[in-house]
Amino acid sequence: AQSVSQHNHHVILSEAASLELGCNYSYGGTVNLFWYVQYPGQHLQLLLKYFSGDPLVKGIKGFEAEFIKSKFSFNLRKPSVQWSDTAEYFCAVNDNTDKLIFGTGTRLQVFP
Amino acid sequence: DAGITQSPRYKITETGRQVTLMCHQTWSHSYMFWYRQDLGHGLRLIYYSAAADITDKGEVPDGYVVSRSKTENFPLTLESATRSQTSVYFCASTSGWADEQYFGPGTRLTVT
Repeated sequence: AQSVSQHNHHVILSEAASLELGCNYSYGGTVNLFWYVQYPGQHLQLLLKYFSGDPLVKGIKGFEAEFIKSKFSFNLRKPSVQWSDTAEYFCAVNDNTDKLIFGTGTRLQVFP
Repeated sequence: DAGITQSPRYKITETGRQVTLMCHQTWSHSYMFWYRQDLGHGLRLIYYSAAADITDKGEVPDGYVVSRSKTENFPLTLESATRSQTSVYFCASTSGWADEQYFGPGTRLTVT
């Protein structure tokens, strides 16, 4: 069965530090990839998505992610985090079925 | 206003009781989903529906029942609540299975 791994469970950074959150998936075929964000007390919302084309995807709030097919990875990056980026981040994969498989999430805390 | 709503937002119930969580969306999206969010597990799919009167099991369906008589509603029923069903429940909808899912605000359920 398809699985999604987020190895960073809890990340603590200072403002202006660079961020990279890992995401690996297990399916070897065509995939659609997503990063969702959940700010404290709020529902999940889409940060960015990859369906095809340029493997470097830009999302909202300065986030980007790179799809590396050979590594089954879709890591999330931001060059300079802000306190307002404190949230939980979920990677999700759709392997051309009806369902979206989520990773366990990474909690990011950014201190001023 | 257009969107996806869940009710109640908070619920405390006793073991063995039946409880129904409601989900309503105004976009006429074909697909609707129920997830539970638990620490260390991320989001896990309980049930989903591709259209009215079509439902299917997700990863953790045991103890739950769903129905979808109308496109806009997708209620989730816990027939006999157990403490292990204490969780935050999110409903989501999308127009196509590979598209972005839009999440509701969640229902925090506590089973005592």
